[in-house]
This record gives sequence, structure tokens and C-alpha cells, in this order.
Amino acid sequence: EDQVTQSPEALRLQEGESSSLNCSYTVSGLRGLFWYRQDPGKGPEFLFTLYSAGEEKEKERLKATLTKKESFLHITAPKPEDSATYLCAVQAVLGGGADGLTFGKGTHLIIQP
Amino acid sequence: DAGITQSPRHKVTETGTPVTLRCHQTENHRYMYWYRQDPGHGLRLIHYSYGVKDTDKGEVSDGYSVSRSKTEDFLLTLESATSSQTSVYFCAISERSGRYNEQFFGPGTRLTVL
Repeated sequence: EDQVTQSPEALRLQEGESSSLNCSYTVSGLRGLFWYRQDPGKGPEFLFTLYSAGEEKEKERLKATLTKKESFLHITAPKPEDSATYLCAVQAVLGGGADGLTFGKGTHLIIQP
Repeated sequence: DAGITQSPRHKVTETGTPVTLRCHQTENHRYMYWYRQDPGHGLRLIHYSYGVKDTDKGEVSDGYSVSRSKTEDFLLTLESATSSQTSVYFCAISERSGRYNEQFFGPGTRLTVL
């Protein structure tokens, strides 16, 4: 059974204070690892997909990295608008060729001005 | 933003009543998914569809059924709602499977079962 564990559960940072969020996973065979951002009362917003250990992707102040056991979401010089819950998920093969995502519980990030 | 709408956005109902949630997409994507999100849990897959009239069960399918009679619509039905089905329900779509399968989510439906 695929498992995804995110840490910390919550993180409070000052504006400009860089940090990293962790996503550790256990899967029989990784097909893809996804990062999403979720704002209160809204659906998850797609950020990145990573497929291979060593792969990195960047978007503005965010950079996602992947190893064989975990992924990190690095946030550089964050701003208050980066406050959100960040979700990590691994991709699993389903019937009919569909793919399901197994999600972690998320990290609630607060950036204080 | 991916063209996904969900209706209703909020619903309050009573135990034992049937409830149908609708997901509508304008992207013509093949794959559609229903997830539920509860405090203390990650998003969990309820049912999914890999084509018109092709559906299957996910991780937490008990008490739910789905139908997809056309590409753009995916319906989730709670045959007899229970308080344990109080949750936020999200629909997701993806164009392809396998590599580069990004799933895009709708705005969600908040369901309360009294």
C-alpha cells in the first residue's frame, strides 16, 4: 500500500525566511510525485510533477526536488502570499489505464509579514 | 485555470436522503476522479472514470456510486447519506495517464449530513 507522510504538519515563517517542506513516501514503484498548493475553501492547484530521483523543478520562489525516498519543497525568501497548505501525492496505476493519487495530509504554511 | 465546475458548492442534507453531486468539465479530458477531503486525512479517491460509461472504485467507495453518460459530466451519488459522509468533495480531471498525467481539481462541494 502506498503511503505518503508530510512534515512538518504546520510551519510559521517570517517573510524572507527560507525553509523546506518534506514529503517521504513508500510505494511499490514510483510513477510520479506531485506537489499541489491549496488555499482555504479552494481546490488543490497543481505545482509540480517529479518522476526520477535527482530531478528538480522550479517556479518562482518554489523548488521541488526528489530522491528515492522523499521529496522536498524548498521555499526561498517567501512572501505572505505563499501562505497555504502544500500537498504531496504519489501516482498509482488504476484500472482502465487511469491514475489515482495517494495524498499526504499536507503542511500548513504561514508566512508572517 | 482548467474548466471544471462543481455543483452545488454547498449542501446541507439529512441522514438517509439521496444526494447527487455534479462535476462538469469543458476540457474534453478522458479521465475524471472524485476525491473527498477530511480533517486528519489526505485527499482520498472515491471513484474514477476512464471514459464514457467506464468507471471503477477507488479507496473509499462504500456508500457511493457514480455515472458518466457523456465526456463532460461525472456524477457522484450518495444513495442514502450518513453523517460519516460529511466532507468536502473534489472532482479532478486529467487528459492522459502515465507520465505527464497532471490532475486538475475543481473548486469543491462542501456537504453536511445532519
